[in-house]
Amino acid sequence: ETGVTQTPRHLVMGMTNKKSLKCEQHLGHNAMYWYKQSAKKPLELMFVYNFKEQTENNSVPSRFSPECPNSSHLFLHLHTLQPEDSALYLCASSLRQGSEKLFFGSGTQLSVL
Amino acid sequence: DQQVKQNSPSLSVQEGRISILNCDYTNSMFDYFLWYKKYPAEGPTFLISISSIKDKNEDGRFTVFLNKSAKHLSLHIVPSQPGDSAVYFCAASVSSSNTGKLIFGQGTTLQVKP
Repeated sequence: ETGVTQTPRHLVMGMTNKKSLKCEQHLGHNAMYWYKQSAKKPLELMFVYNFKEQTENNSVPSRFSPECPNSSHLFLHLHTLQPEDSALYLCASSLRQGSEKLFFGSGTQLSVL
Repeated sequence: DQQVKQNSPSLSVQEGRISILNCDYTNSMFDYFLWYKKYPAEGPTFLISISSIKDKNEDGRFTVFLNKSAKHLSLHIVPSQPGDSAVYFCAASVSSSNTGKLIFGQGTTLQVKP
């Protein structure tokens, strides 16, 4: 399998649920990213990991908790989300942080009820 | 405050004609610009990029033009094909910051009619 794979593709959760989004890249990249795309809005950077270390947190609320156990895997743990958190969550990777050419996964479409 | 703007939400062109997608930016520190294409149910894919030291970059049917004085870039697709129908995002970065942080526009939906 090649590229960047995200699971699940769709997720519906209640405000009291805890869920996790998973991302895996098979490109040998060292930087991984979480982006959020809300309806009618630009893609918005959430977190950056470079060689497993978090290097960017773009003022994301603590109800979003990222985890990067190794350079190939990235998780986004979700708890007590709000309906306005409903969005498309995209994972991306790049050769290294600072390399602007990102490779994106297909995303997880999240609905918070 | 949106630093990268794509003011046309949608564009429709006939197959074989030129498609021109526009993007404006406000941050004069941006020095690297990219275009991504996104099909439904897929993630964005890299299309073409340009550094601020150039004013034009060409790759097959795709050409990106950069006008630094106007803080404007455009993507030309010639000739347009139905398979080009997608959402196109422009993005910008300050490459010297080494953060890899891209600022995206809202996207323009291109429809190429057969």
